[in-house]
Amino acid sequence: AQTIHQWPVAEIKAVGSPLSLGCTIKGKSSPNLYWYWQATGGTLQQLFYSITVGQVESVVQLNLSASRPKDDQFILSTEKLLLSHSGFYLCAWSLWDRGTLYFGAGTRLSVL
Amino acid sequence: GDSVTQTEGQVTVSESKSLIINCTYSATSIGYPNLFWYVRYPGEGLQLLLKVITAGQKGSSRGFEATYNKEATSFHLQKASVQESDSAVYYCALSNTGNYKYVFGAGTRLKVIA
Repeated sequence: AQTIHQWPVAEIKAVGSPLSLGCTIKGKSSPNLYWYWQATGGTLQQLFYSITVGQVESVVQLNLSASRPKDDQFILSTEKLLLSHSGFYLCAWSLWDRGTLYFGAGTRLSVL
Repeated sequence: GDSVTQTEGQVTVSESKSLIINCTYSATSIGYPNLFWYVRYPGEGLQLLLKVITAGQKGSSRGFEATYNKEATSFHLQKASVQESDSAVYYCALSNTGNYKYVFGAGTRLKVIA
C-alpha cells in the first residue's frame, strides 16, 4: 500500500528564518508530486509539481522553492520566511496527469 | 485560467434532510477537464470523495452523487439524506488537460445537526 508522510507536523518560525518541509511517498514508483498551500480561511493553492526526479515546475510565485532530490521525496523550502507564508502545507501525489490526488496529513506553519 | 466556484462558507442541514453543494467551473481548454469532490473530515486528511472524467457521467460514493454537466459547467454534490458523520469540509476541484494543475474551490463546511 502507498503511504505519504509529511514532516514536520507543525512549525513555529520567526520572520526571516529559513524553512524546509518534506514529503516522502512509499510504495509507488515515479509518482507525480505536488505542493499545495492553504492560508487560514483560504482555498488550496497549488505551488509546485514534479513529474520526475530533479525537475520541478512552479505554479505560483510565493518566494518559495521546491526540489525533488529522490524519486520518492519532495522538499519545500525558503531562505527567508514572510508572515504571509503562514498556513497549511499539503504534499500530494498522483499516478498520472489529471488523476486522483492523494494527500499527506499536512504541515501547519505559523510565522511570527 | 481555470477556476472553480462552490457554495461559500458553512451549510447547516438537519439529519435525514437532503443536501446540495453547488459547484461551477470554468476551464480554458477545449477538452473535458476531470472533476473531483474531495472531503476533509474532522481530524483527518484531505481525501477523494468521488470523481468523473466524462461529460454526463455521474460519480457516487458514501451516498453522495455528482453529475458532470458540461453544458452548465456544473458538478453539484448531492445527498438525499445526510447524517451527522457527513459533517466535514467539501472541496470541488478540476484538472485540465496536460498541465498537471489542479484547481480547487474555496471549500464548503457542512454541519449536520440532530
